[in-house]
Amino acid sequence: NAGVTQTPKFQVLKTGQSMTLQCAQDMNHNSMYWYRQDPGMGLRLIYYSASEGTTDKGEVPNGYNVSRLNKREFSLRLESAAPSQTSVYFCASSPRGRGQYFGPGTRLTVT
Amino acid sequence: DQQVKQNSPSLSVQEGRISILNCDYTNSMFDYFLWYKKYPAEGPTFLISISSIKDKNEDGRFTVFLNKSAKHLSLHIVPSQPGDSAVYFCAATLSGANNLFFGTGTRLTVIP
Repeated sequence: NAGVTQTPKFQVLKTGQSMTLQCAQDMNHNSMYWYRQDPGMGLRLIYYSASEGTTDKGEVPNGYNVSRLNKREFSLRLESAAPSQTSVYFCASSPRGRGQYFGPGTRLTVT
Repeated sequence: DQQVKQNSPSLSVQEGRISILNCDYTNSMFDYFLWYKKYPAEGPTFLISISSIKDKNEDGRFTVFLNKSAKHLSLHIVPSQPGDSAVYFCAATLSGANNLFFGTGTRLTVIP
């Protein structure tokens, strides 16, 4: 039982490049989330998926897209990376929205 | 606008003493509160939670207190241990919501 896994762990992009962050959970949770953590800002919700087939914007969705591929997987895509998207990205899952379980994070640097 | 606030970015405590981490919120509709602990290079892990129908919840060395009239909660760790050194995030949510609102975190250092 791996819980929530994220790939890659680290990534460096040039401005304008695109990439997809992958997230998978093996706990059969309905809800999945993407957060970003920046110094002095706590964790801010980018997008979430309450159930398979649905996605909704969170607090800071601009510049990102998501795909809930199936119940296990929830990916986050940066179409044209910007330096402001340098951050640590966390994926989380939850059976009912409370008590979320987090992955180890992806540290992204955009130069 | 930050709905959940942790006004102390850092706290240092001697081993064996009590650590008190504070959190304030502005949305009176929040009805469930959580504390997460985060070590470097790891994701946050759930520590303890409290429903708004209670004013205290205890789990071993960790106790969370909720003061709804003051919109304030606190996490008490007694006795503090060096392994408790981490960043602690307070989070809140409300019925029917699918997301958590996080504070900015407090870095706790327990000095041996």
